[in-house]
Parts: sequence; C-alpha cells; structure tokens
Amino acid sequence: SQQGEEDPQALSIQEGENATMNCSYKTSINNLQWYRQNSGRGLVHLILIRSNEREKHSGRLRVTLDTSKKSSSLLITASRAADTASYFCATDDDKIIFGKGTRLHILP
Amino acid sequence: DGGITQSPKYLFRKEGQNVTLSCEQNLNHDAMYWYRQDPGQGLRLIYYSQIVNDFQKGDIAEGYSVSREKKESFPLTVTSAQKNPTAFYLCATGQPDYNEQFFGPGTRLTVL
Repeated sequence: SQQGEEDPQALSIQEGENATMNCSYKTSINNLQWYRQNSGRGLVHLILIRSNEREKHSGRLRVTLDTSKKSSSLLITASRAADTASYFCATDDDKIIFGKGTRLHILP
Repeated sequence: DGGITQSPKYLFRKEGQNVTLSCEQNLNHDAMYWYRQDPGQGLRLIYYSQIVNDFQKGDIAEGYSVSREKKESFPLTVTSAQKNPTAFYLCATGQPDYNEQFFGPGTRLTVL
C-alpha cells in the first residue's frame, strides 16, 4: 500500500547548490513527514507538515505542501557534503507509509 | 538512533533456520514498529505494537512473528517460512497520537 512517491529517484548536485525533492501521494492525509537516511543507518526525522499548513522551515530545510495537488517538496539550501543521504517522505493513512526515497549525492 | 538499540548489526544465518532480531528502547514510547528495507523498495511495515501484549500485522507479516511482553522490547523472529529474508531490518518507536517515529540503527540479515 505505497502512498508517497518521491521524485527524482536520484539527484547529484554540486556542493553549495540547492536540492529539491518532490513527493506525491494518492489519498487525503493528516500530515506529511520527511526523513533522512544515511547509508546503512536508521532514519532520522527532519520535519512534519500538517495538512492545514502550506510551508514550513527548519534551518536549511524548507517544506511545502499542496493538498490540492497531493504533493510536497523538500528544499535543502546551500547543500553540504554531509547532506548526502536518502530522503523519504512519509504520509499517514491509518498508519505511516514511507515512499521509496530520493538518493541525494552532493559533489565536492 | 539514540535510545533504540538493535542487535546485532550484521547477522548471518543458514537457509531454513529461524532467527530473532532484538529491538530495545528506553524512550518510554508506547508504540513500536518493525520495517523491512530492500534496495529501491523503501520501507515496508512488517508488524507494529501500540501497547504491551498487543500487536498487529503490517503489510508484509507473512513469515515473521513478534512479541511485546515488555514496553521496552519488541523482538522480531524471521521464520523459515519467509521466502526471501535477506534484507535490512529497522525497528522504530513512537507515541500513538504523535506521528514522528524514532529509528534504531538497523540489523542487516543475510541468509546463506
């Protein structure tokens, strides 16, 4: 029962550039979350945006939510090598459902 | 990963053997979850428990079993009935009415 789907599947950018990842989902949600996973590690929660919110910021992260289009975007500004990771969106239906993720690679 | 331990980090087993993966938490969270992650597949929910002595099947429960005898512990047994058990297994915790989940470091299981 896949809900969120991230796009692109993989993204490579130069250090210092901004990275944008998108998430689309199928049914109505209460909130949407973004997580980061470094290779071979557990996931780390980044940010949660509620269905009645349109934009949220946390440090270099900016998340938007468009419930009419059933989509969300995660923007990482001024990327750093340490941002290299996989990023997952997670939507809540009856339970939290994770997408397949975007693999982000920051080039030095 | 703080507050949630999964052991061991790497586990090798022969085909046909049952194996139990450990997940312990000291966050005092009521809910615990087990996910399986395969390359390119994202996370898939195996089992979850929202309270001690109670648990529910997730999307891919076949071939797995769990118990929740203590709030701190939610072990996952991968049985011989699981056709393709080689994967990365992640345990997570949370509170039922609070959506953020906290993840352990994972156990990579390889069945030879």
